Amino acid sequence: EVQLVESGGGLVKPGGSLRLSCAASGFAFSSHRMNWVRQAPGKGLESVSSIDTFSSYIHYADSVKGRFTISRDNAKNSLYLQMDSLRVEDTAVYYCAREGLLGPWSPSDYWGQGTLVTVSS
Amino acid sequence: DIQMTQSPSTLSASLGDRVTITCRASQSISSWLAWYQQKPGKAPKLLIYKASTLESGVPSRFSGSGSGTEFTLTISSLQPDDFATYYCQQYNTYSPAFGQGTKVEIK
Repeated sequence: EVQLVESGGGLVKPGGSLRLSCAASGFAFSSHRMNWVRQAPGKGLESVSSIDTFSSYIHYADSVKGRFTISRDNAKNSLYLQMDSLRVEDTAVYYCAREGLLGPWSPSDYWGQGTLVTVSS
Repeated sequence: DIQMTQSPSTLSASLGDRVTITCRASQSISSWLAWYQQKPGKAPKLLIYKASTLESGVPSRFSGSGSGTEFTLTISSLQPDDFATYYCQQYNTYSPAFGQGTKVEIK
């Protein structure tokens, strides 16, 4: 069974840092591109960052570029998001999502349950 | 970056109604479009990919169509489990983008 379990969320002051983790199991983690997607309270979905299978290609949303760093450890079946210089507007549920293997491009077919990040003084 | 625009933002419908949601891309994305369903407090669930391919296990009352810049999601006969928010997503780049969502409410 495919499982994605996020951890590391919590309450942090503006300007602070957090590191989110996503533990993957039940599939060949190293074969899949991975994404972080967030959802602010009462708002829609926003793609935050994506990483390909061997970390060769990484993309960030303009809203987090220069502040967030995505990484993965294929040996540990884990995805990470280092979030620095956090802002109030970064408050959201952060989801880890797996891209499928449905062709040259695939949507996210499995998602974690999400971890809440709250940035507040 | 490609922008995705959904309409309507909210849709009120009754059980058994046929419901259609539209999604427009700011530039052609061929058929690299997915539809997700999200219920409160839950992660999104993939319904359709490649514009019209139903994900395994998704009821056949859901269907998708379109290519290029115009896409639709249709629910042929609305069921109680379908009241949720629906998102389109283009995924043909390394910067996948979502529409703003359409909330389907009970009329």
